Amino acid sequence: DGGITQSPKYLFRKEGQNVTLSCEQNLNHDAMYWYRQDPGQGLRLIYYSQIVNDFQKGDIAEGYSVSREKKESFPLTVTSAQKNPTAFYLCASMLGRGAEAFFGQGTRLTVV
Amino acid sequence: KQEVTQIPAALSVPEGENLVLNCSFTDSAIYNLQWFRQDPGKGLTSLLLIQSSQREQTSGRLNASLDKSSGRSTLYIAASQPGDSATYLCAVLAGGTSYGKLTFGQGTILTVHP
Repeated sequence: DGGITQSPKYLFRKEGQNVTLSCEQNLNHDAMYWYRQDPGQGLRLIYYSQIVNDFQKGDIAEGYSVSREKKESFPLTVTSAQKNPTAFYLCASMLGRGAEAFFGQGTRLTVV
Repeated sequence: KQEVTQIPAALSVPEGENLVLNCSFTDSAIYNLQWFRQDPGKGLTSLLLIQSSQREQTSGRLNASLDKSSGRSTLYIAASQPGDSATYLCAVLAGGTSYGKLTFGQGTILTVHP
């Protein structure tokens, strides 16, 4: 059953802690993306990766970090430097140049 | 920096109406444009993908057009149904030196009432 899996669905974090969100795809897609969505807002790009071992900052990369050690995995770490991390986080992947983007079901992160 | 704008921000229509959602972008150096649907608390579902060399794409009751030179796309929904109620987002994939960057608009919240 091919697709993009984000885990966990809900995540709670104490202030000052780092937390890692998982994104795995078995679609053999080259490109992967992380977005943040706040209530009533569109999607803002955090990081994206076109190929293994390479990634680029998006529009709101401060306070976040990523790695792309395997084609199928693109984990996002929300660090304590991110001032307002409570949001809905979405991961996407794309086969390659000009292809359709597919999304996971999202992780809702709440800082308590 | 690419800016994507969607108009209107919200739309409420009676069932059966035909409607048009608008998307504009500032940098015409795009590779493609994609329309998505998002239900509350869920991920995005792809509706239509238009390559930069194409003018339109159709799927069922949906038709999307692209005018790359003017930086505009429209999503036409025919004979709307209550099940069409959702947020609709457009996204452009950058070409050129920014290739790979996928930028979204803020979305249009559509409500179709019986």
